[in-house]
Amino acid sequence: DAKTTQPPSMDCAEGRAANLPCNHSTISGNEYVYWYRQIHSQGPQYIIHGLKNNETNEMASLIITEDRKSSTLILPHATLRDTAVYYCIVRVFSSSNTGKLIFGQGTTLQVKP
Amino acid sequence: NAGVTQTPKFQVLKTGQSMTLQCAQDMNHEYMSWYRQDPGMGLRLIHYSVGAGITDQGEVPNGYNVSRSTTEDFPLRLLSAAPSQTSVYFCASSYSAGLQGKLFFGSGTQLSVL
Repeated sequence: DAKTTQPPSMDCAEGRAANLPCNHSTISGNEYVYWYRQIHSQGPQYIIHGLKNNETNEMASLIITEDRKSSTLILPHATLRDTAVYYCIVRVFSSSNTGKLIFGQGTTLQVKP
Repeated sequence: NAGVTQTPKFQVLKTGQSMTLQCAQDMNHEYMSWYRQDPGMGLRLIHYSVGAGITDQGEVPNGYNVSRSTTEDFPLRLLSAAPSQTSVYFCASSYSAGLQGKLFFGSGTQLSVL
């Protein structure tokens, strides 16, 4: 699975959009981009995933560049409860892939009032 | 629908004691796994299972045993606890091994070994 690079920390004002970047320059054609977050002391929570097209769900939007070498997770109206560590993970989506899911260090997002 | 349930939430052991961390899921998921999380180390995979009767080692399996006799349960056993096993342990499951990207995590067990 391709390696990802994320900034270690970011701040965001409450009510504003939080844009969390992720670089995955060695991503291959069959690898998906997944995002998780971990609120202090809780288990990680799946947010969203995508392959090529931009994706949106009730939690966030995922924007993947055309060359797929980077992506951005967007929390449209950040609240204090969005303060967490956000992990970007690249992984093959295949029924035969039994390898491990690698969580890196992630980005610590601090939402401030 | 409880999702992934881990027990206990907190545990203190003495060096050399044994214990089992319990994990159960009610989503009929094929894939289950155990991670440990230490400060500055991120989440590291201990053991995983792609179905009942099938288990395999992850990144840091030493000192831990697992078994998967049913689809629902995936207990993690510490046979002789060591201070290096002080950590927060998370159990996770997904519909299938190929869908590992969409994992559902339990709330964790905080283990201290004195």
